[in-house]
Amino acid sequence: AQTIHQWPVAEIKAVGSPLSLGCTIKGKSSPNLYWYWQATGGTLQQLFYSITVGQVESVVQLNLSASRPKDDQFILSTEKLLLSHSGFYLCAWSLLGGTETLYFGSGTRLTVL
Amino acid sequence: AQSVTQPDARVTVSEGASLQLRCKYSYSATPYLFWYVQYPRQGLQLLLKYYSGDPVVQGVNGFEAEFSKSNSSFHLRKASVHWSDSAVYFCAVTGANTGKLTFGHGTILRVHP
Repeated sequence: AQTIHQWPVAEIKAVGSPLSLGCTIKGKSSPNLYWYWQATGGTLQQLFYSITVGQVESVVQLNLSASRPKDDQFILSTEKLLLSHSGFYLCAWSLLGGTETLYFGSGTRLTVL
Repeated sequence: AQSVTQPDARVTVSEGASLQLRCKYSYSATPYLFWYVQYPRQGLQLLLKYYSGDPVVQGVNGFEAEFSKSNSSFHLRKASVHWSDSAVYFCAVTGANTGKLTFGHGTILRVHP
């Protein structure tokens, strides 16, 4: 069975500090991977997606970057956090680009102070 | 551009009552439509999806949705709700190989016991 694991579960960080969030998918080779951001009480906004190792497409510019160093790993990061980065970050995977179902991780709650 | 509108930000019903959550989409090609549910502090879980065929699709926990091309709608229904159905429900649309799933703003469902 496929599993998707996000870490950490929650983070409290200071403005201007760096950030790294991770996501690992087990049990599925070469998945498409996605990062979504959800403001408190808001909708989900797609940030990045990746169809293969080393290749990441940016959908929205929010002073964040993403990398896919391994087939089963997706990393979201920034060198300097902003207050506006607070929210809920969700990683997801699918089998085919956009037509297949997205399966979501349990998310990381980020609070920037 | 693709978009999803969920006109009802909040819906409150009594346990045992029927439910309809509305969703209107905008997509220039053949749409692939989804309903997801999000329980507090959790990721998203798929309720059901529509790609083609019978416009009425069945999902988990007694949910169903009906696709209407003429109305550009994909409304979610349930014959009898339970208090545990209280959650946020998101409608989403994508197309073939776009790598982009667009969500509506969500509808907060509250079920009175």
